[in-house]
Amino acid sequence: EVQLVESGGGLVQPGGSLRLSCAASGFTFSEYYMDWVRQASGKGLEWVGRIRNEVNSYSTEYATSVEGRFTISRDDSKKSLYLQMNSLKTEDTAVYYCSRGGFSYGFGLGDHWGQGTLVTVSS
Amino acid sequence: QSALTQPASVSGSPGQSITISCTGTSSDIGGSNYVSWYQQHPGKAPRLIIYDVINRPSGVSNRFSGSKSGNTASLTISGLQAEDEADYYCCSYTRKSPLYVFGTGTKVTV
Repeated sequence: EVQLVESGGGLVQPGGSLRLSCAASGFTFSEYYMDWVRQASGKGLEWVGRIRNEVNSYSTEYATSVEGRFTISRDDSKKSLYLQMNSLKTEDTAVYYCSRGGFSYGFGLGDHWGQGTLVTVSS
Repeated sequence: QSALTQPASVSGSPGQSITISCTGTSSDIGGSNYVSWYQQHPGKAPRLIIYDVINRPSGVSNRFSGSKSGNTASLTISGLQAEDEADYYCCSYTRKSPLYVFGTGTKVTV
C-alpha cells in the first residue's frame, strides 16, 4: 500500500524558516516524481513545486509565488521528500500535501497524497 | 496564470447525473491532454478520480467520467450517491510556469 506521511509543520513567524518532510513507503520512491501542493483554510488547491527523479537529474520546478524562497529536495535512500521554506509570509499559511507524480509519461499529478501538515505563519 | 474556472456549487438528487465544468485557456486545458480531477471530502486529502482527461485510476467508480472540448473540461457523476458529496477540483498541466494550475473548486451537494 502506498503511504505518504508529512511532518514538520507548525507555527513560525513571518520571515522565518521551516522544513517539511514526507516519508514514502509502499512503492519504489526513486522512480517517481514528487510534488508539494498546498491549501489555505477554506480555499482551493495550489501546486507548489515538483522534483523529478534521478533519471531526469532531480530537476525542480516551482510556482512563481514560492520561487526563490522554497527548495524541494529528496533522499531516495531514505525514501523521503523535503520542502525547505525560507522567508515565510503570512500568505504561505496552509496545509501542505506531498503527492506522487510523474505517471502518465511524466505529466501526471497526485495519484497518491499524504494527509497533509499545517504550516501557520503568524507573529 | 489564473486558476481554472469552476462553478462554486452543483447539487443533485440521489440517482441523478450532474456535470461540473472547468474552463481555462489555450495555454492550459485547450493545449493539454493532461487534465485531472480530484475529489476532496472535508478534512481529508484530495483523491485522484480522473487523469488524462478521460482515464479513471484503478478503484475509482465508473460513475465518474471526464471529457474535454476546446478550453473546457467536464466531470460527470452519474447515479449520484450520498458519498459523492464533496469538493471537486480540476487541474491542468500547462507546459510552462506554473507547471500545474488547479480549478477554483466545486462543492457538490447530494
